[in-house]
Amino acid sequence: NAGVTQTPKFRVLKTGQSMTLLCAQDMNHEYMYWYRQDPGMGLRLIHYSVGEGTTAKGEVPDGYNVSRLKKQNFLLGLESAAPSQTSVYFCASRIDYTGELFFGEGSRLTVL
Amino acid sequence: AQKVTQAQTEISVVEKEDVTLDCVYETRDTTYYLFWYKQPPSGELVFLIRRNSFDEQNEISGRYSWNFQKSTSSFNFTITASQVVDSAVYFCALTKNNAGNMLTFGGGTRLMVKP
Repeated sequence: NAGVTQTPKFRVLKTGQSMTLLCAQDMNHEYMYWYRQDPGMGLRLIHYSVGEGTTAKGEVPDGYNVSRLKKQNFLLGLESAAPSQTSVYFCASRIDYTGELFFGEGSRLTVL
Repeated sequence: AQKVTQAQTEISVVEKEDVTLDCVYETRDTTYYLFWYKQPPSGELVFLIRRNSFDEQNEISGRYSWNFQKSTSSFNFTITASQVVDSAVYFCALTKNNAGNMLTFGGGTRLMVKP
């Protein structure tokens, strides 16, 4: 029962470096999301996808790119990391737009 | 635009006290869904409840209960006889009833239950 799996769990980057966070779900969910969680600000949506091959911007998309080449995977990329992107990132999926979100365990990213 | 406000950023209670977490939302839609999630110190997010906008019946699940009032745009969460294990951050969230829409979260309420 893997559910939603995020890799890596922890990462430290230097300013300007790039990286990709991988989210994989085994529940055949259509909808996938990337959120970031910062102290006092709750969860803010970065990008989301309503199906394979589709992506859309959320509340805070700047500095991030995403891809959904396969239904089960949703990748979040940082092309040139900035200290403001230090955060905990959560991937989530749900079966449709009325369902509850299933979350991954989170990925803690620090940009120095 | 939709918005969820959890005005209480932190609440501290002593074990066995009852506690209510407030959630107020804004939406122009007539059909929508409301959710509560729990984030314990371990960090994962756990789904607690989903309620659609046409169902205003209060719900009770063990020590947890939810009071949905459309007239005041509120979806409050009460824990009866709180326990230390209830210590967590609780998030309220809102989604519209149309495809592709995002789930908007409130800022969360940190509940600390002291023994």
